[in-house]
This record gives sequence, C-alpha cells and structure tokens, in this order.
Amino acid sequence: AAGVIQSPRHLIKEKRETATLKCYPIPRHDTVYWYQQGPGQDPQFLISFYEKMQSDKGSIPDRFSAQQFSDYHSELNMSSLELGDSALYFCASSLVLREGTQYFGPGTRLLVL
Amino acid sequence: GNSVTQMEGPVTLSEEAFLTINCTYTATGYPSLFWYVQYPGEGLQLLLKATKADDKGSNKGFEATYRKETTSFHLEKGSVQVSDSAVYFCALSDIRGAQKLVFGQGTRLTINP
Repeated sequence: AAGVIQSPRHLIKEKRETATLKCYPIPRHDTVYWYQQGPGQDPQFLISFYEKMQSDKGSIPDRFSAQQFSDYHSELNMSSLELGDSALYFCASSLVLREGTQYFGPGTRLLVL
Repeated sequence: GNSVTQMEGPVTLSEEAFLTINCTYTATGYPSLFWYVQYPGEGLQLLLKATKADDKGSNKGFEATYRKETTSFHLEKGSVQVSDSAVYFCALSDIRGAQKLVFGQGTRLTINP
C-alpha cells in the first residue's frame, strides 16, 4: 500500500539559511499534519491542513510557514534557521471523514550547523 | 489541556518475557488512543488503536484496552522478541482522531536474547 512520502530524507543547513520540506500524503487522504521530534523527545505538533486550509496550529515558530497545495501535498518552509531547529520532522496524513488515524512518513532529518 | 504520561524507560527484558508499558491520559471529551512504535532510524508506525471505552486494540501480539474509569491504555505483550526492541509512544487525539496527536514521552524497550 502507498505510504506517506517525505523529501528530502536528510538535510544539512547553516544557521540563518532556509529549508523547505515536502510531504506527499497517502492518496485520497484529505488532512496533513506536521510534527517536530527533537533528539530523545516525543513528537510535537506543529500545524495541520484539512482540504488545503489550515485546520490547527501548535508550537510552530513564526519563522516557519506551511501550506497544502491543490494536489494535497504539503510543504513546510523554515527560514532563519537556528541550531535548535535540528530535529526529525514528520509528516502524517489521515482521512478525517473515515476514521482519522494518522499515518506517518519516514521523516526528514534536519541538521543545522 | 490534553496530556499523556508514559512509564519511564528504558525498559530491558529478556526474550519471551511479559511486557507491560503503562500509559495514562488526561483529556476532555472522549479521545481516541494509540500506540505508535519507532524502530531505530525510522519513522513512527501505528501499532494499535482504540476509539472508545472498553475497546481493545491488538496487533503483532501486542494488546491495549481503553479504560475510561482509570484513564489508562497500557500496552502488553505476552512474549517479547528481540525484534520488538524500539521506542514506544502512547498518544491520544480528540474527536475520533481528527485532530492533532498528543504523545507521551516514549519508552525505549530493549529485548536481550
């Protein structure tokens, strides 16, 4: 079965640079979620989109923005990167009207130097 | 707000031992409950779920029962294998899984041969 696809899988950036992470949800899923997992930490919710509209917002810094496109893929844009942004970024997708279970992608590991 | 508290790790067991990882939650309303597993270097995989009180989720020999009276969702397995070594996260979401997941801090499990 098709799974959530994330790209890139690994990313190395310098401080103050920008990064764009991409997420391709499971086909026909209508909701995308972004989570950040620091080293040894539990995943923290950042933001979600339902039918291309922002549906919820968590602890996402103002330096980050995200959107969901007409083909349902989503991008997380991160600017003015800081050392503390180094983490594993997960995207998950769900079909809300069915039962809403979230299925996670493999994650993008971001290292900020 | 909603929160999840998990048994502190790490947990180390011998192969074929009985496993219990405790999870309790605080939530308004009637959340859905989940266990996710994260193998080294990989993303989060849904292990099992329960959407209402007294439901039992099960998968790969793991079980957990949604106990509303004790606000718990403990994970159990009768005979663990080396391949079960991973980090286990308990999580909840509101309104039938349609909203963000709130995770516990994770429990690292190591199974020795």
